[in-house]
Formats: sequence, structure tokens, C-alpha cells
Amino acid sequence: GAVVSQHPSWVICKSGTSVKIECRSLDFQATTMFWYRQFPKQSLMLMATSNEGSKATYEQGVEKDKFLINHASLTLSTLTVTSAHPEDSSFYICSASSAGGRHRVVNEQFFGPGTRLTVL
Amino acid sequence: AQSVTQLGSHVSVSEGALVLLRCNYSSSVPPYLFWYVQYPNQGLQLLLKYTSAATLVKGINGFEAEFKKSETSFHLTKPSAHMSDAAEYFCAVSDRYSSASKIIFGSGTRLSIRP
Repeated sequence: GAVVSQHPSWVICKSGTSVKIECRSLDFQATTMFWYRQFPKQSLMLMATSNEGSKATYEQGVEKDKFLINHASLTLSTLTVTSAHPEDSSFYICSASSAGGRHRVVNEQFFGPGTRLTVL
Repeated sequence: AQSVTQLGSHVSVSEGALVLLRCNYSSSVPPYLFWYVQYPNQGLQLLLKYTSAATLVKGINGFEAEFKKSETSFHLTKPSAHMSDAAEYFCAVSDRYSSASKIIFGSGTRLSIRP
């Protein structure tokens, strides 16, 4: 099946530093990738949608200058949390979707295992 | 606009009992509907999806869900609960007319299984 990986699986950083999270589609080309944030015992909240080679579309209330998203290739998207603060601590999950090929199941997103970010 | 409502943030059943997790959706266009499961500190795994074929959808791990347009519901069921079913379950909806549209998640239902 379609596999999506995230790296790192967990990260602890000091307040004020920047953290980069990678999301990779391992066996298919992801034309669209999504980034979600999940607080403890809550649902997933979509942060942004990125299409390969174009700027990400951010959801209302998400600071685009704080959460930098790059989707430079069909297998890799990165989320950089800039100048992280304790309130940015959360579980970040990416998903990938393909517009064509053998994994083209309409509107199906394949989820990564998530990255736990803790900002001290 | 699309949305899903999951009734009951926490459901507890005995091992071997019927599992019923409720989901109602709202959509201005015919929807695609999904159920996902999430184990602690892990990503989401797709249990099943409705994409306008059969209204009764069978998924993995013995789960199934029935799309009922008249009730705008997509409840998840399993005849006999196992201890390994304990997890968080999310119902979700997306727009079928968009090639790679957003998925809107419900608030989730935590399923506990009593021995």
C-alpha cells in the first residue's frame, strides 16, 4: 500500500529555535500533501494544504510565517516551525494524496505516523 | 461547507459485545465518508471509506459502516469487540468533486473495551 513516513518521530527543542519536520511518500508521487496538528485528546486540525511546486494554502488562523511549508518534490514536504514556543508543542501529522497512478483512490489521503514536538 | 458530528466522546463496551460508534455528516454536495482509527502516539489508519458504491461498506478488522442518506449518518459497527479495538476513532468527510480536497474530521470517539 501507500506508505508515508515522517521524520523525526519526536523532537524536543528549546524555546526560540526552529524545527523542521519531513514528510515523505515512499512508494508513490504525492501531488498534494496536508499538514495537521493534533492537541492531546482532540481531533486533527488541518493547518495547510500544499501542492508540489506551488505555495501552500493555509487554513484560517494558521500563521504562515510561523509554520513554513515547502513541497519541493513529489515525494517530500517539510514543515518548519520557526521560533518555536511552548504553545507550539503538539502532535503534527502529515498526509499525502496522489492525483493519478495506481494509488489514485479518489480523495484518499495516506497518513504519516506523526511527529511529537515538545518545546521547553 | 462540510462537517461531521460524532456522538459520544467516549464509548465503553465489554469484550465480545457489539460496537456502535455514531457519526452524522453535513454536506452540500454528495460526500465521501471515512472512518479512521488512531492508536496512542500514532498516525491514522483508514478503516473504511464510502465513495458512492455500495451503501454498506466493509473495512478492516471486522468493522463496517452503512451510509444512510435519509438520516445523514455513517455509523461504524463491529459485531464483537476485541481488546485490541481500544483506540480513538475518527469519522471524516470530504468533497467528492475535488481531486484532492480537504478531509474534515469529527471530534473523535475513544473506544474502551472492558474485559
